[in-house]
Amino acid sequence: NAGVMQNPRHLVRRRGQEARLRCSPMKGHSHVYWYRQLPEEGLKFMVYLQKENIIDESGMPKERFSAEFPKEGPSILRIQQVVRGDSAAYFCASSSYYEQYFGPGTRLTVT
Amino acid sequence: DQQVKQNSPSLSVQEGRISILNCDYTNSMFDYFLWYKKYPAEGPTFLISISSIKDKNEDGRFTVFLNKSAKHLSLHIVPSQPGDSAVYFCAASAFRETSGSRLTFGEGTQLTVNP
Repeated sequence: NAGVMQNPRHLVRRRGQEARLRCSPMKGHSHVYWYRQLPEEGLKFMVYLQKENIIDESGMPKERFSAEFPKEGPSILRIQQVVRGDSAAYFCASSSYYEQYFGPGTRLTVT
Repeated sequence: DQQVKQNSPSLSVQEGRISILNCDYTNSMFDYFLWYKKYPAEGPTFLISISSIKDKNEDGRFTVFLNKSAKHLSLHIVPSQPGDSAVYFCAASAFRETSGSRLTFGEGTQLTVNP
């Protein structure tokens, strides 16, 4: 399967814990995007990364959220000290130019 | 502000008929438009796209029309099939070195195709 992979598919965290979401892009793609879908809403852009570089993080909350895409390994979206409002589906997409291909998402539930 | 809007939250059609999903945008910098289909608990699946230099793109049962002057695009599905039942998202982008091709999504339209 050469598609975008995300893990875990489901993640439950208590308030105050940390959540780490992983994304492996499609083979040959060097651009990774993270989006968040809150209940009953469309997808909202969070951050755009290339290998070892954050290009655009204008959609990411200023506190508690961070992202990286190291030279080796998957892209990581990290949420520190999670709150109930962080409960959402987080999707990663990769692209080589315009069209983006999405992973299956990670559904984060904060209890 | 909502730069991409899908004003119909839901649409119901009979199998074999045409489904028309609509999308409006406000940002004249958008130069590429995409439609995605999404089933529950899955990621969006790319369907079809169109560049702003075109007014129509066709792929099998799916056709996308772009009216730049009206800032409006539509997705036509002919003939509609029960398996097409899903949420359809319209998305727009404007490629920039500083932001790549980040997508701005509409809120989605739930299409139901009845047998």
